[in-house]
Amino acid sequence: AQTVTQSQPEMSVQEAETVTLSCTYDTSESDYYLFWYKQPPSRQMILVIRQEAYKQQNATENRFSVNFQKAAKSFSLKISDSQLGDAAMYFCVNGGSQGNLIFGKGTKLSVKP
Amino acid sequence: KAGVTQTPRYLIKTRGQQVTLSCSPISGHRSVSWYQQTPGQGLQFLFEYFSETQRNKGNFPGRFSGRQFSNSRSEMNVSTLELGDSALYLCASSGGLVGGTDTQYFGPGTRLTVL
Repeated sequence: AQTVTQSQPEMSVQEAETVTLSCTYDTSESDYYLFWYKQPPSRQMILVIRQEAYKQQNATENRFSVNFQKAAKSFSLKISDSQLGDAAMYFCVNGGSQGNLIFGKGTKLSVKP
Repeated sequence: KAGVTQTPRYLIKTRGQQVTLSCSPISGHRSVSWYQQTPGQGLQFLFEYFSETQRNKGNFPGRFSGRQFSNSRSEMNVSTLELGDSALYLCASSGGLVGGTDTQYFGPGTRLTVL
């Protein structure tokens, strides 16, 4: 069975600083994708970044980047130059061949001014 | 392009009633997935529809059902509501590539409260 584990229920970062959110996953599939979604207080789920498992290069999207360690089944998200608008619940997500997304429990990120 | 829309945004029902939620995907998207989000269980996959056919199903009782229309709009129905069905129901659409490798875009959700 596919599982996604986020070991940090809550994290805090100072505005303009850098923060890294951790995620580990388990899957028996060889072809899969990984995603980070954010859910602000409005509850709208927003895609932050995605990583194809077959690609060795880590995905980046402006201030967001990932550290994908396939052998270790680790997929962390780094947010640089944190902004107040980054405050949200962040979900690490595994998408496999069955058509569904497996979500972690989430990490609540607070940004201090 | 307009995003995923869900109606209604809020619903209050009583135990034993049934409810229907609606989801309109992004134009051109053929796959619609439904998820239930609760504080205790987190986000759980309900089912996915593609070209009017249920392509994948999560581990939920038969009281939860869905369908998809020819224009890709989808409805989700919950019969004989229980208190535990209170949740945020999220709909997501994607282009429809086989499997969970396609990026899914989410709607704002429907908040269902069962009294």
